[in-house]
Amino acid sequence: KNEVEQSPQNLTAQEGEFITINCSYSVGISALHWLQQHPGGGIVSLFMLSSGKKKHGRLIATINIQEKHSSLHITASHPRDSAVYICAPGTNQFYFGTGTSLTVIP
Amino acid sequence: NAGVMQNPRHLVRRRGQEARLRCSPMKGHSHVYWYRQLPEEGLKFMVYLQKENIIDESGMPKERFSAEFPKEGPSILRIQQVVRGDSAAYFCASSARNTGELFFGEGSRLTVL
Repeated sequence: KNEVEQSPQNLTAQEGEFITINCSYSVGISALHWLQQHPGGGIVSLFMLSSGKKKHGRLIATINIQEKHSSLHITASHPRDSAVYICAPGTNQFYFGTGTSLTVIP
Repeated sequence: NAGVMQNPRHLVRRRGQEARLRCSPMKGHSHVYWYRQLPEEGLKFMVYLQKENIIDESGMPKERFSAEFPKEGPSILRIQQVVRGDSAAYFCASSARNTGELFFGEGSRLTVL
């Protein structure tokens, strides 16, 4: 049983499209991270959420604690957004989704 | 303010040797997490440490693996008698508090021949 389920697993979009990545989890959490991993392997934390909604530039993340669900949205997608996006809910330890591999085509 | 520093970035070991991976957290961070990413797989939690304490090691294999975060110096993940299945990328992350934002190092890629 996976504690974290992400969908879709793979996503190809045209430049400029609006993108949504979903994350459902079964564990109790105090926070949820959205991470970005580029092909070179480096990992960057995009958001840390414990409730509601956060926005950084073209990225928006939402979380519904009662429904145990979070979404990551990318507006006006760009080829440089191509990466693997990972949802990580948790408390002391964070459980990682398998990631969504996003490819944005020019 | 330097980010999370991991070294070595790449390490090659023969079966049976020991591997030591180091992680220096961001300045002011006292919480360190180690994660492993096997080839073509997602990240898996290994251990969560604070200075001089192991808080949660539920993701650590029972044998050959150990971790420490001494009062002075970096956190160290130690793998004794490495086997080919230990080949992976090992990432360290730090935070200022246990529910704080995570900052990741670049990872240490271990190859066991």
